[in-house]
Amino acid sequence: GQSLEQPSEVTAVEGAIVQINCTYQTSGFYGLSWYQQHDGGAPTFLSYNALDGLEETGRFSSFLSRSDSYGYLLLQELQMKDSASYFCAALKAALIFGKGTTLSVSS
Amino acid sequence: GAVVSQHPSRVICKSGTSVKIECRSLDFQATTMFWYRQFPKQSLMLMATSNEGSKATYEQGVEKDKFLINHASLTLSTLTVTSAHPEDSSFYICSAQDRDSYEQYFGPGTRLTVT
Repeated sequence: GQSLEQPSEVTAVEGAIVQINCTYQTSGFYGLSWYQQHDGGAPTFLSYNALDGLEETGRFSSFLSRSDSYGYLLLQELQMKDSASYFCAALKAALIFGKGTTLSVSS
Repeated sequence: GAVVSQHPSRVICKSGTSVKIECRSLDFQATTMFWYRQFPKQSLMLMATSNEGSKATYEQGVEKDKFLINHASLTLSTLTVTSAHPEDSSFYICSAQDRDSYEQYFGPGTRLTVT
């Protein structure tokens, strides 16, 4: 089978740095994506790693290590509006989503 | 940027009726569209892959006779929930794959409530 595991919840304060990990048991995928979803909304694309290493996009960075079957999303300078659910997703023909991590940012 | 629309955004229907949800790529052509379902506080689960001009491919456990998918053009796919029941109440989200760039773009989702 294929599965992507994430922590279910993470809490942090404004201005902090948070890392959301994603470990997976799937093979033959093109890359690992990260999506943000606010309550009632559709997922919005954050970052994509086709190759091992770090991808940086503003306050968000994502990392992939295929040899370790592991990736993470790093959120810096947290803001209240970052409170949302975050999903890693393996890109095969379709996107296979992880279970999601609910991030709560407090002041 | 690429835009995908879904219609309706919300629908309430009675048990036993059928509901059609449309997914349109507005400024690009999509040979492939994907349909996902998301229950509250859960992840997105792939239901089926829809290819233009051919039959959809359904994931294990998804009843193809209950969730009818039609992808008649390069910009439109429809999902029809037939004989809906309260347990079909969910958030249905489509994504469309740009046939040139292969990037996927999500629609805003359709919230279905079956009473």
